[in-house]
Amino acid sequence: GQNIDQPTEMTATEGAIVQINCTYQTSGFNGLFWYQQHAGEAPTFLSYNVLDGLEEKGRFSSFLSRSKGYSYLLLKELQMKDSASYLCAVRDSNYQLIWGAGTKLIIKP
Amino acid sequence: IAGITQAPTSQILAAGRRMTLRCTQDMRHNAMYWYRQDLGLGLRLIHYSNTAGTTGKGEVPDGYSVSRANTDDFPLTLASAVPSQTSVYFCASSTTSTGELFFGEGSRLTVL
Repeated sequence: GQNIDQPTEMTATEGAIVQINCTYQTSGFNGLFWYQQHAGEAPTFLSYNVLDGLEEKGRFSSFLSRSKGYSYLLLKELQMKDSASYLCAVRDSNYQLIWGAGTKLIIKP
Repeated sequence: IAGITQAPTSQILAAGRRMTLRCTQDMRHNAMYWYRQDLGLGLRLIHYSNTAGTTGKGEVPDGYSVSRANTDDFPLTLASAVPSQTSVYFCASSTTSTGELFFGEGSRLTVL
């Protein structure tokens, strides 16, 4: 079966760096997405990786290794507003999105 | 309207009743989707439409139906609601079937 694994919850300190991992087993691969979802709100797009390597966008970076079925989202200079759930999703060979359950990130002062 | 709009934002419904969740987008996106989000689970696709006039079944289609009469509207209907359909429903759209998704604000449905 198809599976996306990410930690359920993580805690980090304001100003620090945190890495949220995502491992996947899917039938084919056509790209990996990261979305941010604040409590009670809709998910919003953060990043997209289709080739191996690191994609940097301001304080957020996303890494992909297709051979390892692995991605991570790196958040630098954490701010209280970064407290949210982070959703990893993989597009499979049928171009369907398979979603992880999300990682709830708690930022402490 | 800017982006994608869902209605109602919240609804309590008696089991057995019929309910339609509305979704409208003004971005002229071809692809539209309905997801449900339940605690501890990833988003699960209910139905999708790659272009006006076509629809397809997702991972959890039973008990739900959709229509796509035009580009902008993609309503989701529960013919006879059951308590297991209590969830938060998100409508989303994308320019193509491979692009990033833009989500509506969600509809919280409680079936008693």
